Amino acid sequence: DVQMTQSPPSLSASVGDRVTITCRASQFIMNYLNWYQQKPGKAPKLLIYTTSTLRGGVPSRFSGGESGTDFTLTISSLQPEDFATYYCQQTYTSPPTFGQGTKVEVK
Amino acid sequence: QVQLVQSGTEVKKPGASVKVSCRASGYTFRNYGMSWVRQAPGQGLEWMGWISASNGDTQFAQKFQGRVTMTTDTSTSTAYMELRSLRSDDTAVYYCATGLSASAHFLCLDTWGQGTLVTATS
Repeated sequence: DVQMTQSPPSLSASVGDRVTITCRASQFIMNYLNWYQQKPGKAPKLLIYTTSTLRGGVPSRFSGGESGTDFTLTISSLQPEDFATYYCQQTYTSPPTFGQGTKVEVK
Repeated sequence: QVQLVQSGTEVKKPGASVKVSCRASGYTFRNYGMSWVRQAPGQGLEWMGWISASNGDTQFAQKFQGRVTMTTDTSTSTAYMELRSLRSDDTAVYYCATGLSASAHFLCLDTWGQGTLVTATS
């Protein structure tokens, strides 16, 4: 199975901060990398798919990118509703695998 | 609107089976598949498997092979996931989820159910 390693596991930030989360794949996954946001007690919500395509309705402060086997989720200016846990997921090979998650907390 | 509505909380004894349902609405059920993802308390997301609603083809994560059954009923637009021989570490929230976007991979999950808590305890 492809291992997805997210970093950091958690981070503290303030409203307005620029936040970047990284996800590294253990092998080549092309651009089949998705990002989800999950709030406590709720189902995950898809934000970005195929590395950088923003899902309809997702604010433009969210963006995705890649550099080799490293993929990034960037929030350009953190808003109060963005405090949540974020997961990456590869869908290049089965089984699709998720990163361990990054919890974005209030500083 | 597109919606997945799951069955309610289950409490089972170790060794028992549990069957969770997921009723879809707002889209043509038979044209898409359904994944099942679980999340143990305080833990991350774990994909369990997928079933095609059109022909019943399945893919399972290896750790669940032989212990999980996924089925669909196109007459009621409902997907089912049955997990047998429950252990305490199967205690988790179980989600059904599907990918409806034509421009994304079918295992990229843009629509989720609300989750079903399954507790395996003696």
